[in-house]
Amino acid sequence: GAGVSQSPSNKVTEKGKDVELRCDPISGHTALYWYRQRLGQGLEFLIYFQGNSAPDKSGLPSDRFSAERTGESVSTLTIQRTQQEDSAVYLCASSLGGQGVNGNTIYFGEGSWLTVV
Amino acid sequence: DQQVKQNSPSLSVQEGRISILNCDYTNSMFDYFLWYKKYPAEGPTFLISISSIKDKNEDGRFTVFLNKSAKHLSLHIVPSQPGDSAVYFCAAFSGNTGKLIFGQGTTLQVKP
Repeated sequence: GAGVSQSPSNKVTEKGKDVELRCDPISGHTALYWYRQRLGQGLEFLIYFQGNSAPDKSGLPSDRFSAERTGESVSTLTIQRTQQEDSAVYLCASSLGGQGVNGNTIYFGEGSWLTVV
Repeated sequence: DQQVKQNSPSLSVQEGRISILNCDYTNSMFDYFLWYKKYPAEGPTFLISISSIKDKNEDGRFTVFLNKSAKHLSLHIVPSQPGDSAVYFCAAFSGNTGKLIFGQGTTLQVKP
């Protein structure tokens, strides 16, 4: 597809289970971002991948959260031992590059809606 | 540490009037500032941006103003239309880090 694709679009999981969220960025985009938006709150930066550089993980809220990216393609965000506070929409975005881009080439996916019960 | 702040969680405007959404930031190293619009159950979509070396950028009904000395930017929508009703996020981009930092969002309601 032409845009950023995320799966699953919706996920309901039991507290304590692990979940994995997937993001397929736009082909050729070297930069990939994960954000989280909890109900009634703003977009919260989680992690940023740029090419082969070490990812910026400064936004990950706890060690239960991790993310990987294979080269410049698919990324997976993993949440271990989910808690109810993890319920949110997880948004992935990609862009042609992190350095010098003017911002209007950052494209978002539709998000993965996670509900922890 | 909230680097990008939108202090008004909501704004209500009459159709045809001007909507002004405000945003403040703390880091003087940001290179670009952007506004995104988000409808429920959809990802944010890019609206308009401005480079840190400019003070105004206009695109149709949308104009963004940047006041670097005050570390403040605003989005003006005129005339406002009911279809503009959405959540608007201000974001700041740093070329050094590649990070895009968002504000909390402002929900705009344009009444017919």
